[in-house]
Formats: sequence, structure tokens, C-alpha cells
Amino acid sequence: GEDVEQSLFLSVREGDSSVINCTYTDSSSTYLYWYKQEPGAGLQLLTYIFSNMDMKQDQRLTVLLNKKDKHLSLRIADTQTGDSAIYFCAETLSAGGGNKLTFGTGTQLKVEL
Amino acid sequence: EAEVAQSPRYKITEKSQAVAFWCDPISGHATLYWYRQILGQGPELLVQFQDESVVDDSQLPKDRFSAERLKGVDSTLKIQPAELGDSAMYLCASSTISYEQYFGPGTRLTVT
Repeated sequence: GEDVEQSLFLSVREGDSSVINCTYTDSSSTYLYWYKQEPGAGLQLLTYIFSNMDMKQDQRLTVLLNKKDKHLSLRIADTQTGDSAIYFCAETLSAGGGNKLTFGTGTQLKVEL
Repeated sequence: EAEVAQSPRYKITEKSQAVAFWCDPISGHATLYWYRQILGQGPELLVQFQDESVVDDSQLPKDRFSAERLKGVDSTLKIQPAELGDSAMYLCASSTISYEQYFGPGTRLTVT
């Protein structure tokens, strides 16, 4: 079955690195995603990784995938106050070609000065 | 930069009334999704269209919800009658054949 779990809160100081973690249960996941949601807004696609990769880097963002442990993480380097938001991990399966995203409950990141 | 458009941004309605939301996907995106996001949770798929055809509506409460995408471009999601439990953010997303889904700003529905 599909289940995506995340911790609810993370607080970091400005300039530090943030690491947001996610676990998923479906080994058939083909793509895994990180979305950012600011208050009252829609979801912004930050990055995604194909399941045959173990790392992807995009500017300040680094995604690590441990497929054996079904663990995904997002590292934000030099975290800024503008990074304060809710971060959602999501997975999609290839079966049926539907590309339905299954989301976690979100991790609220608070960046303190 | 092209964006998914949604309207209205906010809607307050009384229970048992009808309500409708509109979505205009990014130009050229054949796949359109409607998600519902209850406060404090991640979005959940309600319905997915490929062009004008429904691909997945397994989680759509069909006794009160309906969705259409008649010309394969913009889409309307309707709730009739609205219930208190329908209060949520309704998000529209679109994609091409790739695995990148882009979301609109959402419609915040409050049912009183």
C-alpha cells in the first residue's frame, strides 16, 4: 500500500543546513518529489528524483534516496528566512500510467534569526 | 513563466448550497488533476483527466462531486450540496507527459 510519513516540525537557525526526512512504503515508487507550500498558497515543485538514482543536487538543494530503507531526504544549504514553509514529500507510481501523487503530511520548517 | 490559474481564490458557502471551482492549466498540458487538501494534511487526488477523459476518479465522492473538462483545456469541479466536511483547499495541477506536476494557487472553501 501507499503511505508517506514525515516529521511534523523542524526549526533551524538562519545560515545553517536543514534536513527534512521522509519515509515511504511502496517499493514500486518511480519518482519521489519535494514540494514547498507557503501559507495560503499552492504547492511549488522544488525537485524530484527518479528511483534509480541515489542523489540529486540543484543549487542549495540536495536530495538523497535510500531505496533499500525507503528513505528520502531534502537538505537545504544556507537556510534563509524565505525557506520557512511546509515541505511535502510525495511519490508516484508507474502502474496504470496515472501519475497520481501520494503526499506525506508535510514538515513545517521554521527558520530563526 | 506559465502558471496554472484557479478561481475563485476564496469561497464561503452555506451547507447544502452548490459551489463550483475553475481551473485553467498551463497551455499544452494534456493532464489535469484536482486535489483536496484538508488543513494540516497533504493533498489527496480527487480526479485526473487526460485531455477530456477521466483517468482516475476513484477518490471522488460522486454522490455530491462532479468534474468536467469538456474541451480538454480548462476544467470545473462542482460540489452539490456542500457539507461542512468539504471545507478545504482545492488544488488544481497540470502536467505534460513528464512526471512534473505544477500546481495552481488553490481555492480555499469554507462551508458554514
